[in-house]
Amino acid sequence: RKEVEQDPGPFNVPEGATVAFNCTYSNSASQSFFWYRQDCRKEPKLLMSVYSSGNEDGRFTAQLNRASQYISLLIRDSKLSDSATYLCVVNSPHSGTASKLTFGTGTRLQVTL
Amino acid sequence: EAGVTQFPSHSVIEKGQTVTLRCDPISGHDNLYWYRRVMGKEIKFLLHFVKESKQDESGMPNNRFLAERTGGTYSTLKVQPAELEDSGVYFCASSQDKFGDWTRLYQETQYFGPGTRLLVL
Repeated sequence: RKEVEQDPGPFNVPEGATVAFNCTYSNSASQSFFWYRQDCRKEPKLLMSVYSSGNEDGRFTAQLNRASQYISLLIRDSKLSDSATYLCVVNSPHSGTASKLTFGTGTRLQVTL
Repeated sequence: EAGVTQFPSHSVIEKGQTVTLRCDPISGHDNLYWYRRVMGKEIKFLLHFVKESKQDESGMPNNRFLAERTGGTYSTLKVQPAELEDSGVYFCASSQDKFGDWTRLYQETQYFGPGTRLLVL
């Protein structure tokens, strides 16, 4: 079983639609959670961190359920420019402050006219 | 402020040859990470430096891979001899430590470089 599981998609949605991505993680010791965005042939870039209380950044809302080890990302009013791969990422400390990121395979989003 | 840079952007080599990848982290970032994405798979952790010391190298595939960070600035990742399965995109990331609430030390966001695309023929 993978440490971070995501539906690979693709999700094809029209402009203006609302789309939700889900992710589950297996390491209960994980401490930090993120959504990264990766455009084709580019590096991953941090979209937002995910907190237990839920957090919102413009059209993007992220939620974390520690009990279920489940993370979600909601995108409202989708734009063409939102087309990308969305990576669910978990930070699992291994010693002291040292940590490493564990990535899901990513969910591909294609927003169309 | 300059971001994480990596060199070369692409490398095509034959099986058995040696390749050295370089990463320059963001200035002042003590933490430097190497990750790799092979085709069809997720990005996977290779190793973590804190300054010049290897903090965790549990993700290194085998002893054909050697990472160094002399002086605690830039890092190199050498693959010798390269095999076909080493093909992929090698990302470098950096972050800095900071003190948060109640002086707990934690790491900030990891910023990624553009990656080196390695193809072994």
